[in-house]
Amino acid sequence: GAGVSQSPSNKVTEKGKDVELRCDPISGHTALYWYRQSLGQGLEFLIYFQGNSAPDKSGLPSDRFSAERTGGSVSTLTIQRTQQEDSAVYLCASSLQPGGEQYFGPGTRLTVT
Amino acid sequence: DAKTTQPNSMESNEEEPVHLPCNHSTISGTDYIHWYRQLPSQGPEYVIHGLTSNVNNRMASLAIAEDRKSSTLILHRATLRDAAVYYCIPKPPGAGSYQLTFGKGTKLSVIP
Repeated sequence: GAGVSQSPSNKVTEKGKDVELRCDPISGHTALYWYRQSLGQGLEFLIYFQGNSAPDKSGLPSDRFSAERTGGSVSTLTIQRTQQEDSAVYLCASSLQPGGEQYFGPGTRLTVT
Repeated sequence: DAKTTQPNSMESNEEEPVHLPCNHSTISGTDYIHWYRQLPSQGPEYVIHGLTSNVNNRMASLAIAEDRKSSTLILHRATLRDAAVYYCIPKPPGAGSYQLTFGKGTKLSVIP
């Protein structure tokens, strides 16, 4: 079946612009996660959605970052006023149940110039 | 979170077995040991997980030490497609523990 998809696969933006990254989780998966991976670094947790519960935003690095999940399915990660340090690969994952095996998408490579 | 120690890199010849070690001496009694891998330019993928007993699936085997302070991921016959960074991740069970904490992992190179 279809896995987790993310779009765009690559995004180049100028410093100060806003960007939106999209994630389509596996159908039926209730949990959705965003991580980011900076060059040469490990994966860093950003935010977690589960059903209709309030999301866990504890990993968001600043208030320029926000995310929403509409209808319990598609999620959008928004970065406002992008900075060069935001350049990274942004990965989305979903799991059938909270705490379950996570299935990752291919990621969106964001480059801020 | 339990601290893990893995070799930075390992090499294997194609079609030979590979043993990838992980030390997690501060693991709690209820933490499961999860392994994920990340192929080049891809997102991580789940490999296997276990608690105390050794585990097998179609991808790999997981051998867990009796004291649970270490574990070894075993690829029985390495292929070129197994070249990836392998992450060992102790994680408590249950819905309240959903965040994966990735370390540096072990970069496995497979030599044709």
